[in-house]
Amino acid sequence: EAGVTQSPTHLIKTRGQQATLRCSPISGHTSVYWYQQALGLGLQFLLWYDEGEERNRGNFPPRFSGRQFPNYSSELNVNALELEDSALYLCASSLIVPGGTQYFGPGTRLLVL
Amino acid sequence: AQRVTQPEKLLSVFKGAPVELKCNYSYSGSPELFWYVQYSRQRLQLLLRHISRESIKGFTADLNKGETSFHLKKPFAQEEDSAMYYCAPTFYNQGGKLIFGQGTELSVKP
Repeated sequence: EAGVTQSPTHLIKTRGQQATLRCSPISGHTSVYWYQQALGLGLQFLLWYDEGEERNRGNFPPRFSGRQFPNYSSELNVNALELEDSALYLCASSLIVPGGTQYFGPGTRLLVL
Repeated sequence: AQRVTQPEKLLSVFKGAPVELKCNYSYSGSPELFWYVQYSRQRLQLLLRHISRESIKGFTADLNKGETSFHLKKPFAQEEDSAMYYCAPTFYNQGGKLIFGQGTELSVKP
């Protein structure tokens, strides 16, 4: 069974630009979570999508947004990029919410210059 | 607010020695508790979860509700256990998001 996939693996942008990151969950999983792993800050919850709706978001500004498509894949958009947005962005999918095991993708490493 | 503390940033032990990775949490709801592991150049993966009470790769974790701790233990460490370990509770009243500790890097020396 294929695991969670993310694209691209690396992304380089400049300040002020927009970044789009993509995630495909495990087949049958309807929930997608996004996390940010920034240097020195650990793994922080960003967004949760389930059945096409945003269900919860972490303490991040509104320029972090996303959506979930009918096939349950998801997109994370970061507008007006700032240097401190440089991080590894992880996507996870889950079959059972809340409380179910989350399965992680390999991540997208975003570098903002 | 819920908070997770892993007090050791780095834990170094010799092969065959017992290992304990500490995790303490504060909460205002009912947590489900997980340990995730990240081996070098691999993705983050589930090691074990409290509700299943399984022993994975020789690791166990006991929930102490009084101390709000969920320490990870293994009686005899192996070199292949060297990795980054994250304690990550999730709270049912928070929609199932994982709240990660800062992580403990375990280094098992031959």
